[in-house]
Amino acid sequence: ETGVTQTPRHLVMGMTNKKSLKCEQHLGHNAMYWYKQSAKKPLELMFVYSLEERVENNSVPSRFSPECPNSSHLFLHLHTLQPEDSALYLCASSQEGRSNGYTFGSGTRLTVV
Amino acid sequence: AQTVTQSQPEMSVQEAETVTLSCTYDTSENNYYLFWYKQPPSRQMILVIRQEAYKQQNATENRFSVNFQKAAKSFSLKISDSQLGDTAMYFCAFMKFTSGTYKYIFGTGTRLKVLA
Repeated sequence: ETGVTQTPRHLVMGMTNKKSLKCEQHLGHNAMYWYKQSAKKPLELMFVYSLEERVENNSVPSRFSPECPNSSHLFLHLHTLQPEDSALYLCASSQEGRSNGYTFGSGTRLTVV
Repeated sequence: AQTVTQSQPEMSVQEAETVTLSCTYDTSENNYYLFWYKQPPSRQMILVIRQEAYKQQNATENRFSVNFQKAAKSFSLKISDSQLGDTAMYFCAFMKFTSGTYKYIFGTGTRLKVLA
Protein backbone atom coordinates (compact mmCIF):
# COMPACT_ATOMS: atom_id res chain seq x y z
CA GLU A 1 0.00 0.00 0.00
CA THR A 2 1.02 3.54 -0.67
CA GLY A 3 0.28 5.22 2.63
CA VAL A 4 -2.92 6.74 1.21
CA THR A 5 -5.85 4.33 1.11
CA GLN A 6 -9.11 5.00 -0.68
CA THR A 7 -12.34 3.04 -0.40
CA PRO A 8 -14.30 1.83 -2.18
CA ARG A 9 -12.22 1.09 -5.25
CA HIS A 10 -15.29 1.07 -7.48
CA LEU A 11 -18.72 2.58 -6.94
CA VAL A 12 -21.84 2.54 -9.08
CA MET A 13 -24.67 4.74 -7.87
CA GLY A 14 -27.97 6.04 -9.11
CA MET A 15 -28.66 9.73 -9.41
CA THR A 16 -30.89 9.71 -6.34
CA ASN A 17 -28.48 7.80 -4.09
CA LYS A 18 -26.29 9.09 -1.31
CA LYS A 19 -22.84 7.61 -0.90
CA SER A 20 -19.49 8.54 0.58
CA LEU A 21 -15.89 8.10 -0.53
CA LYS A 22 -13.26 7.57 2.13
CA CYS A 23 -9.58 8.44 2.20
CA GLU A 24 -7.10 7.60 4.93
CA GLN A 25 -3.41 8.44 5.29
CA HIS A 26 -0.88 7.34 7.88
CA LEU A 27 2.05 9.41 6.68
CA GLY A 28 1.76 12.13 9.29
CA HIS A 29 0.78 14.65 6.62
CA ASN A 30 -1.28 17.68 7.55
CA ALA A 31 -2.91 18.50 4.22
CA MET A 32 -5.33 16.41 2.17
CA TYR A 33 -6.89 16.89 -1.23
CA TRP A 34 -9.67 15.63 -3.46
CA TYR A 35 -9.06 15.57 -7.22
CA LYS A 36 -11.37 14.60 -10.08
CA GLN A 37 -9.78 12.81 -13.01
CA SER A 38 -11.78 12.65 -16.25
CA ALA A 39 -10.60 11.25 -19.55
CA LYS A 40 -8.49 13.63 -21.65
CA LYS A 41 -8.68 16.40 -19.06
CA PRO A 42 -6.14 17.65 -16.57
CA LEU A 43 -6.67 16.64 -12.97
CA GLU A 44 -9.14 19.01 -11.38
CA LEU A 45 -8.58 20.10 -7.81
CA MET A 46 -11.86 19.95 -5.91
CA PHE A 47 -11.06 20.53 -2.24
CA VAL A 48 -8.05 21.26 -0.07
CA TYR A 49 -7.88 20.71 3.67
CA SER A 50 -4.95 22.01 5.65
CA LEU A 51 -4.77 21.27 9.38
CA GLU A 52 -8.32 19.92 9.10
CA GLU A 53 -9.72 23.20 7.84
CA ARG A 54 -11.01 23.64 4.32
CA VAL A 55 -8.78 26.20 2.65
CA GLU A 56 -9.95 25.88 -0.91
CA ASN A 57 -13.09 24.92 -2.75
CA ASN A 58 -12.69 25.28 -6.48
CA SER A 59 -16.31 26.10 -7.27
CA VAL A 60 -17.42 22.52 -6.88
CA PRO A 61 -21.19 21.86 -7.05
CA SER A 62 -22.90 21.45 -3.70
CA ARG A 63 -23.81 17.85 -4.52
CA PHE A 64 -20.21 17.14 -3.46
CA SER A 65 -19.65 17.70 0.24
CA PRO A 66 -16.24 17.10 1.86
CA GLU A 67 -15.56 16.28 5.47
CA CYS A 68 -12.23 16.14 7.28
CA PRO A 69 -12.77 14.93 10.87
CA ASN A 70 -9.03 14.70 11.61
CA SER A 71 -5.70 14.97 9.83
CA SER A 72 -5.72 11.30 8.81
CA HIS A 73 -9.20 11.01 7.31
CA LEU A 74 -11.01 12.69 4.48
CA PHE A 75 -14.47 11.97 3.12
CA LEU A 76 -16.36 13.05 0.04
CA HIS A 77 -20.13 12.79 0.49
CA LEU A 78 -22.12 12.44 -2.70
CA HIS A 79 -25.81 13.07 -3.33
CA THR A 80 -28.03 13.56 -6.36
CA LEU A 81 -25.11 13.24 -8.75
CA GLN A 82 -25.29 13.56 -12.51
CA PRO A 83 -23.91 11.15 -15.14
CA GLU A 84 -21.19 13.69 -16.00
CA ASP A 85 -19.86 13.26 -12.47
CA SER A 86 -18.65 9.79 -13.44
CA ALA A 87 -14.86 9.88 -13.09
CA LEU A 88 -11.91 8.69 -11.06
CA TYR A 89 -11.74 10.51 -7.74
CA LEU A 90 -8.26 10.73 -6.31
CA CYS A 91 -7.26 11.61 -2.80
CA ALA A 92 -3.81 12.93 -1.99
CA SER A 93 -1.91 14.11 1.05
CA SER A 94 1.15 16.23 1.69
CA GLN A 95 3.07 18.00 4.38
CA GLU A 96 2.04 21.63 4.16
CA GLY A 97 4.92 23.98 3.44
CA ARG A 98 7.04 21.38 1.69
CA SER A 99 7.48 21.12 -2.06
CA ASN A 100 8.16 17.39 -2.14
CA GLY A 101 4.96 16.64 -3.98
CA TYR A 102 1.88 14.73 -3.00
CA THR A 103 1.25 11.11 -2.14
CA PHE A 104 -1.80 9.85 -4.00
CA GLY A 105 -4.21 7.04 -3.34
CA SER A 106 -5.40 4.62 -6.02
CA GLY A 107 -8.70 6.40 -6.46
CA THR A 108 -12.37 5.49 -6.51
CA ARG A 109 -13.84 4.81 -9.94
CA LEU A 110 -17.32 6.33 -9.74
CA THR A 111 -20.05 5.58 -12.25
CA VAL A 112 -23.35 7.45 -12.00
CA VAL A 113 -26.24 5.75 -13.75
CA ALA B 1 -2.69 31.87 -15.54
CA GLN B 2 -0.37 28.93 -15.57
CA THR B 3 -0.91 26.14 -18.09
CA VAL B 4 0.78 22.82 -18.73
CA THR B 5 0.73 21.25 -22.19
CA GLN B 6 1.52 17.68 -23.11
CA SER B 7 1.24 17.50 -26.87
CA GLN B 8 1.59 13.73 -27.22
CA PRO B 9 -1.60 11.93 -26.15
CA GLU B 10 -0.10 8.50 -26.86
CA MET B 11 3.34 7.06 -27.51
CA SER B 12 4.90 3.65 -27.81
CA VAL B 13 8.46 2.40 -27.48
CA GLN B 14 10.19 -0.93 -27.85
CA GLU B 15 11.49 -2.56 -24.72
CA ALA B 16 15.08 -1.50 -23.91
CA GLU B 17 14.81 1.57 -26.15
CA THR B 18 14.75 5.22 -25.08
CA VAL B 19 11.71 7.47 -25.26
CA THR B 20 11.18 11.17 -24.56
CA LEU B 21 7.88 12.65 -23.40
CA SER B 22 7.40 16.36 -23.95
CA CYS B 23 5.94 18.98 -21.67
CA THR B 24 5.73 22.73 -21.97
CA TYR B 25 4.31 25.19 -19.51
CA ASP B 26 3.45 28.82 -19.32
CA THR B 27 4.10 30.98 -16.30
CA SER B 28 5.37 34.39 -15.29
CA GLU B 29 6.74 33.01 -12.03
CA ASN B 30 10.45 32.65 -11.41
CA ASN B 31 10.36 30.20 -8.51
CA TYR B 32 8.42 27.00 -9.01
CA TYR B 33 8.76 23.23 -9.19
CA LEU B 34 8.11 20.74 -11.94
CA PHE B 35 7.17 17.10 -11.59
CA TRP B 36 6.53 14.01 -13.63
CA TYR B 37 4.02 11.53 -12.23
CA LYS B 38 3.34 8.03 -13.50
CA GLN B 39 -0.11 6.44 -13.30
CA PRO B 40 -0.03 2.71 -14.08
CA PRO B 41 -3.19 0.61 -14.51
CA SER B 42 -3.33 0.31 -10.72
CA ARG B 43 -4.37 3.99 -10.91
CA GLN B 44 -2.09 5.25 -8.15
CA MET B 45 -0.16 8.37 -9.16
CA ILE B 46 3.52 7.81 -8.42
CA LEU B 47 6.10 10.57 -8.31
CA VAL B 48 8.80 9.86 -10.88
CA ILE B 49 11.02 12.92 -10.75
CA ARG B 50 11.09 16.48 -9.41
CA GLN B 51 12.92 19.57 -10.64
CA GLU B 52 13.42 22.88 -8.85
CA ALA B 53 13.29 25.80 -11.27
CA TYR B 54 16.20 27.61 -9.65
CA LYS B 55 18.50 24.65 -10.29
CA GLN B 56 20.13 24.50 -13.70
CA GLN B 57 21.20 20.89 -13.33
CA ASN B 58 18.74 18.43 -14.78
CA ALA B 59 17.22 15.99 -12.30
CA THR B 60 17.94 12.28 -12.69
CA GLU B 61 16.42 9.23 -11.02
CA ASN B 62 17.93 5.98 -12.26
CA ARG B 63 16.56 5.43 -15.80
CA PHE B 64 14.52 8.63 -15.69
CA SER B 65 15.98 12.02 -16.49
CA VAL B 66 14.66 15.40 -17.52
CA ASN B 67 15.70 18.06 -19.98
CA PHE B 68 14.74 21.30 -18.27
CA GLN B 69 14.94 24.38 -20.47
CA LYS B 70 13.75 27.25 -18.30
CA ALA B 71 13.91 29.95 -20.95
CA ALA B 72 11.92 27.81 -23.35
CA LYS B 73 9.60 26.64 -20.55
CA SER B 74 10.14 23.07 -21.54
CA PHE B 75 10.41 20.05 -19.25
CA SER B 76 10.74 16.75 -21.11
CA LEU B 77 11.11 13.31 -19.55
CA LYS B 78 13.54 10.78 -20.95
CA ILE B 79 13.12 7.12 -20.08
CA SER B 80 16.16 5.00 -20.88
CA ASP B 81 16.20 1.20 -21.26
CA SER B 82 12.38 1.12 -21.26
CA GLN B 83 10.78 -1.72 -19.37
CA LEU B 84 7.32 -3.27 -19.67
CA GLY B 85 6.52 -1.92 -16.23
CA ASP B 86 6.95 1.62 -17.55
CA THR B 87 3.65 1.26 -19.41
CA ALA B 88 1.44 3.94 -17.86
CA MET B 89 -0.02 7.40 -18.16
CA TYR B 90 2.56 10.10 -17.50
CA PHE B 91 1.53 13.49 -16.19
CA CYS B 92 3.64 16.61 -16.15
CA ALA B 93 2.84 19.03 -13.33
CA PHE B 94 3.77 22.56 -12.34
CA MET B 95 3.77 23.60 -8.70
CA LYS B 96 4.14 27.02 -7.14
CA PHE B 97 3.78 28.45 -3.68
CA THR B 98 0.85 30.82 -3.46
CA SER B 99 -1.43 32.07 -0.70
CA GLY B 100 0.44 30.07 1.89
CA THR B 101 0.22 26.73 0.13
CA TYR B 102 1.68 24.76 -2.75
CA LYS B 103 -0.62 24.29 -5.74
CA TYR B 104 -0.36 21.96 -8.70
CA ILE B 105 -1.39 22.41 -12.29
CA PHE B 106 -1.39 19.19 -14.27
CA GLY B 107 -1.16 18.45 -17.97
CA THR B 108 -3.57 16.14 -19.78
CA GLY B 109 -1.15 13.22 -19.77
CA THR B 110 0.69 11.02 -22.26
CA ARG B 111 -0.19 7.35 -22.49
CA LEU B 112 3.02 5.36 -22.93
CA LYS B 113 3.02 1.76 -24.04
CA VAL B 114 6.21 -0.28 -23.89
CA LEU B 115 6.21 -3.08 -26.46
CA ALA B 116 7.85 -6.45 -25.92
